[in-house]
Amino acid sequence: GQQLNQSPQSMFIQEGEDVSMNCTSSSIFNTWLWYKQDPGEGPVLLIALYKAGELTSKGRLTAEFGITRKDSFLNISASIPSDVGIYFCAGRSGANSKLTFGKGITLSVRP
Amino acid sequence: KAGVTQTPRYLIKTRGQQVTLSCSPISGHRSVSWYQQTPGQGLQFLFEYFSETQRNKGNFPGRFSGRQFSNSRSEMNVSTLELGDSALYLCASSLAYSRGTGELFFGEGSRLTVL
Repeated sequence: GQQLNQSPQSMFIQEGEDVSMNCTSSSIFNTWLWYKQDPGEGPVLLIALYKAGELTSKGRLTAEFGITRKDSFLNISASIPSDVGIYFCAGRSGANSKLTFGKGITLSVRP
Repeated sequence: KAGVTQTPRYLIKTRGQQVTLSCSPISGHRSVSWYQQTPGQGLQFLFEYFSETQRNKGNFPGRFSGRQFSNSRSEMNVSTLELGDSALYLCASSLAYSRGTGELFFGEGSRLTVL
């Protein structure tokens, strides 16, 4: 079945640093989504991407839909303590297909 | 507008019992998906409903079932609970058949503990 790979499982950075995460798949996806989950909460949608090569920014977040349609990238600039959480990538191969999630990356930010 | 509402937020059951979880989607959303989240496995897809019909199903045993009502509210049921069913069960709603099809909006989840 479809799988999304996110690694490493955990990342530790210093406040103020930039961090990049990627998500790869052996299958082609038509939609890429990035979510963040805080402890005790459900995942919250950060950025949605719908077109290969698309680059979208929201505040300090920038996400890219890989040109091969098999990967996506999320960059967080100038990290702050509230960026701590689990970041999930998710992909959908068609309008009626399920949304598949990666296993997530736990981000820790040292003050 | 109100977000996705899941009830109950926390519950404790014993092995062999059954449990029903409820989800009210965002107003106007007709698609509801359910996911199981565990520390080792991430978010595992259970099923998706649209207009009271199951549209997609994940690889879970038949003990896991769901349904959707005419008002788009959804329930999932787990029968004959096992210890491994302990997890956070997340419900998500989305619009369907639009550019926003891929965007799921999650509730806070129902934390199930099986003893």
